[in-house]
Amino acid sequence: NAGVTQTPKFQVLKTGQSMTLQCAQDMNHNSMYWYRQDPGMGLRLIYYSASEGTTDKGEVPNGYNVSRLNKREFSLRLESAAPSQTSVYFCASRRDYLYNEQFFGPGTRLTVL
Amino acid sequence: AQKITQTQPGMFVQEKEAVTLDCTYDTSDQSYGLFWYKQPSSGEMIFLIYQGSYDEQNATEGRYSLNFQKARKSANLVISASQLGDSAMYFCAMREVALWDDMRFGAGTRLTVKP
Repeated sequence: NAGVTQTPKFQVLKTGQSMTLQCAQDMNHNSMYWYRQDPGMGLRLIYYSASEGTTDKGEVPNGYNVSRLNKREFSLRLESAAPSQTSVYFCASRRDYLYNEQFFGPGTRLTVL
Repeated sequence: AQKITQTQPGMFVQEKEAVTLDCTYDTSDQSYGLFWYKQPSSGEMIFLIYQGSYDEQNATEGRYSLNFQKARKSANLVISASQLGDSAMYFCAMREVALWDDMRFGAGTRLTVKP
């Protein structure tokens, strides 16, 4: 039981390049989330998926797209990376509406040059 | 809009002493949940404790307790008998029932436990 896994752990991109961050959970959770964490700030929600087949914008969605591929997997795509997207990205999952705790992945440290 | 304020960027505590980390929040909703997470230097986010806005008792989980003062809109985390392993960043977060998937975090407090 791995919990929430994220790949890659580290990534360096040049401005304008694209990439997809992968997230998977093996806890049969319905809801999944993508956050970014910048220095001196808490986590900010980028996108979430309350159930398979649905996605919604969070606080800072601009410059990102997401795909809920199936119940297990939720990917985050940067189509044209910008230096402002340099951050640590966390994926999280939660069982369903009635449950409070979110389980977080280990994070992906992304640098855009 | 939801807003979480943690006014202490850094805190120091002596090992085995208790420490309180402050958190105030702003919401116009009556139904919401308050959370505390710990982030050690390794980077993972660890859930510590939850308090619902209608819970009458303050939440406790082992050495962690949440001092919930609804009228003052504060949800302070109290760590008793601090240990060296408690050194970490601590984040307060809130989720309104009406926007249950949109959790907002404070900027965090860095706690350092001194031996």
